[in-house]
Amino acid sequence: QQQVKQSPQSLIVQKGGISIINCAYENTAFDYFPWYQQFPGKGPALLIAIRPDVSEKKEGRFTISFNKSAKQFSLHIMDSQPGDSATYFCAATYGGATNKLIFGTGTLLAVQP
Amino acid sequence: GAVVSQHPSWVICKSGTSVKIECRSLDFQATTMFWYRQFPKQSLMLMATSNEGSKATYEQGVEKDKFLINHASLTLSTLTVTSAHPEDSSFYICSASRPEDTQYFGPGTRLTVL
Repeated sequence: QQQVKQSPQSLIVQKGGISIINCAYENTAFDYFPWYQQFPGKGPALLIAIRPDVSEKKEGRFTISFNKSAKQFSLHIMDSQPGDSATYFCAATYGGATNKLIFGTGTLLAVQP
Repeated sequence: GAVVSQHPSWVICKSGTSVKIECRSLDFQATTMFWYRQFPKQSLMLMATSNEGSKATYEQGVEKDKFLINHASLTLSTLTVTSAHPEDSSFYICSASRPEDTQYFGPGTRLTVL
């Protein structure tokens, strides 16, 4: 119930391509779904987040698509760049963004030049 | 704004010693702070949630006597790993949040226990 399943585990994309990472959850009480980017040896940084009252949110090259009925959400990185190479984590929480986060298992993205 | 710092960024200690890690919210008052640990190539695992002035809430399986958390002010939380052993070697990350806002993560502390 508390798990967030993330796929794929790793992803290789050519520069300029679209990177797509998927997450699924079971707990329908979750009401906040952020995505984090983490570089080696650094803490995670918030990329973009969505609440279940919208189906899509876009910020620059990053888009979250949210499917409430399927209990799935995904991150799309348009025009992927080598600098986007990092580990990406989806997460979910309920009761507000300040509550404890349940993290997905992470996706290691490599963007080849 | 919303910067969280951690100190030290890395620490090496001998088995049996205690290590204190500080987490500070530099430009905001954090009502809640969280402590996570992360093993190589793995996800973040929540260890405990702390609110200023009250006892921390530990996740199942986390030894509260081993991982002492103090949230003495709205800008500082500390994690003390007591009697550290090699299996405690990990990357420890804190996050801080304020009401109606998201969590901001610190840069992490790499602990190596010899």
